[in-house]
Amino acid sequence: ELKVEQNPLFLSMQEGKNYTIYCNYSTTSDRLYWYRQDPGKSLESLFVLLSNGAVKQEGRLMASLDTKARLSTLHITAAVHDLSATYFCAVDLGNTPLVFGKGTRLSVIA
Amino acid sequence: KAGVTQTPRYLIKTRGQQVTLSCSPISGHRSVSWYQQTPGQGLQFLFEYFSETQRNKGNFPGRFSGRQFSNSRSEMNVSTLELGDSALYLCASSPDGQYNEQFFGPGTRLTVL
Repeated sequence: ELKVEQNPLFLSMQEGKNYTIYCNYSTTSDRLYWYRQDPGKSLESLFVLLSNGAVKQEGRLMASLDTKARLSTLHITAAVHDLSATYFCAVDLGNTPLVFGKGTRLSVIA
Repeated sequence: KAGVTQTPRYLIKTRGQQVTLSCSPISGHRSVSWYQQTPGQGLQFLFEYFSETQRNKGNFPGRFSGRQFSNSRSEMNVSTLELGDSALYLCASSPDGQYNEQFFGPGTRLTVL
């Protein structure tokens, strides 16, 4: 059974600082997605990572995938308040449902 | 392209009642998945429909059911509602191509009193 673990689950960081969210998974896969969820809202797709070594960047967020280590990271550079949200990773094994991590609740404070 | 739409957006029911939620996927998407999200359990997969057939099912009781129509629109039904069914129900569609990226709708917030 595929297990997906995110850490940390809660993250409070100061504006302007850098930090990394980790997503570890237990079964080999080369497809992983990152989503963002604002309070009371739905999930918004952020990144699609489809191969080992894939790196995607959008603004202050950068995601990467290491399939050998079964690890994806979401790096936040110079955090701003607007990045406050919950971030989910989801692993894709093919013809089975995506398996989501529990989410990392990020709070960026001044 | 229009995104995934869900109706209704908010719903209040009482225990024992039943409820039907509706989801219209992105045009051209044939796969529709349903998820339940609660603060305690997080995001849990309910079921997935593809071409009117249930392709995958999560670990939920039989009170939770769904179906998909020929136009890919999907409905899910919960019978004999319990307090614990209060949750945000999310529908997601996927083009079912080489990978399974899900595009989520705004959700239906169900409150059971």
